[in-house]
Amino acid sequence: EPEVTQTPSHQVTQMGQEVILRCVPISNHLYFYWYRQILGQKVEFLVSFYNNEISEKSEIFDDQFSVERPDGSNFTLKIRSTKLEDSAMYFCASTPRDRGQTEAFFGQGTRLTVV
Amino acid sequence: GQNIDQPTEMTATEGAIVQINCTYQTSGFNGLFWYQQHAGEAPTFLSYNVLDGLEEKGRFSSFLSRSKGYSYLLLKELQMKDSASYLCAVREMNYGQNFVFGPGTRLSVLP
Repeated sequence: EPEVTQTPSHQVTQMGQEVILRCVPISNHLYFYWYRQILGQKVEFLVSFYNNEISEKSEIFDDQFSVERPDGSNFTLKIRSTKLEDSAMYFCASTPRDRGQTEAFFGQGTRLTVV
Repeated sequence: GQNIDQPTEMTATEGAIVQINCTYQTSGFNGLFWYQQHAGEAPTFLSYNVLDGLEEKGRFSSFLSRSKGYSYLLLKELQMKDSASYLCAVREMNYGQNFVFGPGTRLSVLP
């Protein structure tokens, strides 16, 4: 069964460093998302991506965040200068279309720890 | 804007039935989804409603009333492995086709 894959599963980085989180969405899907979940808190929307551009972003997704789909298969989230409060689980998700039963398929997540 | 509310925690006994409620406000409703999330893992899809009424899927059923902005997830014949968080999410047509998640309900199933 097709699945969303994320790498790495766990990343530890020093405050102020740049990190890139990688995702390979399911191949025929059209909508891509990044979410984050701080330990013990709810799943929070960061950004949605459709037709090779950002379609919506939340207040969390400030200038230190960026997304790319560099080669038609990978979908990356970059955090330019990490802060302690960026420590969270980051989930990538994708969905094939915008109508009907179009649940978001989630990757297993990248646990980011900023020290 | 979006606002989704769920009870924070619930406890039930193995073999029992439990109903987890969700209320929501949305500007561009495009479906309501229930996910299960075990600690440290990704959310996994359980059920989907876009029209009013009940959708049944084995031990799990979900109900939707769009006029009331209300849904519930019904879990029957509870098993210990059902101990998890249950997330209500609304897909927003006017917000990048995004899925907006509620805070989740942590269900503990006791023997």
